[in-house]
Amino acid sequence: GEDVEQSLFLSVREGDSSVINCTYTDSSSTYLYWYKQEPGAGLQLLTYIFSNMDMKQDQRLTVLLNKKDKHLSLRIADTQTGDSAIYFCAESGPPNRDDKIIFGKGTRLHILP
Amino acid sequence: DAGITQSPRYKITETGRQVTLMCHQTWSHSYMFWYRQDLGHGLRLIYYSAAADITDKGEVPDGYVVSRSKTENFPLTLESATRSQTSVYFCASTEGADTSTDTQYFGPGTRLTVL
Repeated sequence: GEDVEQSLFLSVREGDSSVINCTYTDSSSTYLYWYKQEPGAGLQLLTYIFSNMDMKQDQRLTVLLNKKDKHLSLRIADTQTGDSAIYFCAESGPPNRDDKIIFGKGTRLHILP
Repeated sequence: DAGITQSPRYKITETGRQVTLMCHQTWSHSYMFWYRQDLGHGLRLIYYSAAADITDKGEVPDGYVVSRSKTENFPLTLESATRSQTSVYFCASTEGADTSTDTQYFGPGTRLTVL
């Protein structure tokens, strides 16, 4: 079945770049997503990438997709204290896959002073 | 002793009592973790700590309290023990922050029975 894996924790120093990695198993994945969850808040969609793209940049966020290796990464440049949150990787397949979105368990990003 | 140790190794207590499980590591690892192991559930993360005075909830934190005043110690307290907290508790530590690549070193475990 479909599965999404990501590290549980990541620590970076303020000002450095954060790179959160994710792997997925379904080769028919169509969209890949990054969500952010801050303490006490719901999921916020940060960005997404269509499977025929290999890179997408949006201000401090860069998403890289290696479809051959089924590897997705989120790079946050100049990491700030406000970036401290849990980041969820997710994927969805073509319409015949019941429109499910499969989430990873989340990577908790710590910002060190 | 070098490494990661837990005390006590075995504990029997009664419902409603406060119990503290100790964990000590000699490597000055930044990250420390508490897990419980139950049949049919595998290891479940209770709390973890990224550094002294930084702690955060894991998967099953309810009924537990932790503190990390010193890097080498990470005590786990059951403020009012319940029978459902009967389990084997494992403490672990890791130097690095990426749990996909950094080895976690586990203590020998504490078997807690709540009557």
